[in-house]
Amino acid sequence: EAAVTQSPRSKVAVTGGKVTLSCHQTNNHDYMYWYRQDTGHGLRLIHYSYVADSTEKGDIPDGYKASRPSQENFSLILELASLSQTAVYFCASSVLGGTSQNTLYFGAGTRLSVL
Amino acid sequence: GDSVTQTEGQVALSEEDFLTIHCNYSASGYPTLFWYVQYPGEGPQLLFRASRDKEKGSSRGFEATYDKGTTSFHLRKASVQESDSAVYYCALSDRYGSSGNKLIFGIGTLLSVKP
Repeated sequence: EAAVTQSPRSKVAVTGGKVTLSCHQTNNHDYMYWYRQDTGHGLRLIHYSYVADSTEKGDIPDGYKASRPSQENFSLILELASLSQTAVYFCASSVLGGTSQNTLYFGAGTRLSVL
Repeated sequence: GDSVTQTEGQVALSEEDFLTIHCNYSASGYPTLFWYVQYPGEGPQLLFRASRDKEKGSSRGFEATYDKGTTSFHLRKASVQESDSAVYYCALSDRYGSSGNKLIFGIGTLLSVKP
């Protein structure tokens, strides 16, 4: 079964500090994504990647960087964490092409609190 | 750009009630439509999808019909159970439209079912 693992599951960070959220998938999927979940906004795409060593901006990339060092791993980096980045973050993966295209497989999420 | 509108932010029902969650979309192309469900403490997971006008998607007693004329994909279930309590997301993917291969989500609808 498809598996996307996020770490940590929760984190408390200080304003101005650096935060790295990690994601590992064993699906052999080409695409990986980082979404942010907020009440009233649903799921919004931050960054995504369709191949190792390359990332693309999503709809709300400001204040975030992403890194895809291998097909299996995709990180989200907050260089200077701010209060407004308190949210739940989800990583997801999907195949490229075929009938399953854009069926996203999500991790369990990381709850980030910035104080 | 492409967008998804869910009009109900929260829905409270009793067991065996009929459920409707409204979803309307705006897309420049011919999108694929999805319903995802998120149970407490988990990431979203695909409920079902539909790719063509008049196609019905269904799973676990839930169903929705792709209606290009009214640009809608409303979620329905004839008799809800307490175990259906979750957040439901409508989403679209429009490969040849402005969203490309990305998934665009609605704000989500929190369904609470009382025993």
